[in-house]
Amino acid sequence: EVQLVESGGGLVQSGGSLRLSCEASGFTLSSRWMNWVRQVPGKGLEWVSRINLGGDRTEYVDSVKGRFTISRDDVRNTLFLQMNSLRVEDTALYFCARDRSWNAYDVWGPGTMVTVSS
Amino acid sequence: DIVMTQTPLSLSVIPGQPASISCKSSRSLLHSDGKTYLHWYLQRPGQSPQLLMYEVSSRFSGVPDRFSGSGSGTDFTLKISRVEAEDVGFYYCMQGLSFPFTFGGGTKVEIK
Repeated sequence: EVQLVESGGGLVQSGGSLRLSCEASGFTLSSRWMNWVRQVPGKGLEWVSRINLGGDRTEYVDSVKGRFTISRDDVRNTLFLQMNSLRVEDTALYFCARDRSWNAYDVWGPGTMVTVSS
Repeated sequence: DIVMTQTPLSLSVIPGQPASISCKSSRSLLHSDGKTYLHWYLQRPGQSPQLLMYEVSSRFSGVPDRFSGSGSGTDFTLKISRVEAEDVGFYYCMQGLSFPFTFGGGTKVEIK
């Protein structure tokens, strides 16, 4: 079964750091571009970051540029999101999502909750 | 950034009746390759989003044929021909053309 499972979320103080992981199973991570999308509870979806095959090209939404870093370990079949200098407004459920093509995300994980306190 | 605007905010539908959701983008989503990168997702209560339609009108694997997508340029529509109980949730359009990729605000569909 094709699956993504996120982990690493939690409660952190403003200014702190967290590293999210997304473990893929049922498919080879190296064959897909991958993304992080977040959702404030009760609100809509916001695309956060994308990484290409091989990991040498990354993109971010402006609000996280310079603070978040997306990376991948294709040997471990795992996607990462390093989150530094966290702000209260980063509080959200973070999903990893597989790119089918042109940002149509065909597989999503259940999400991991990040809560940043002031 | 491309702004995605969905209407209505919510819909209450009698089972078996049709439903329609509009999505408008602030810029054309037509790529030079001739394809339009507008996708639709459904997020059922308590679940992760799931892909319904990609590139305006292509139904994703396993999506019932009561769902259809149409539109071009900046105006798009998702239609459900006969709403069923399992269709409740939030529907989001999303543009996959240019950074940052952006979602519409969502449309809540509930059963009357």
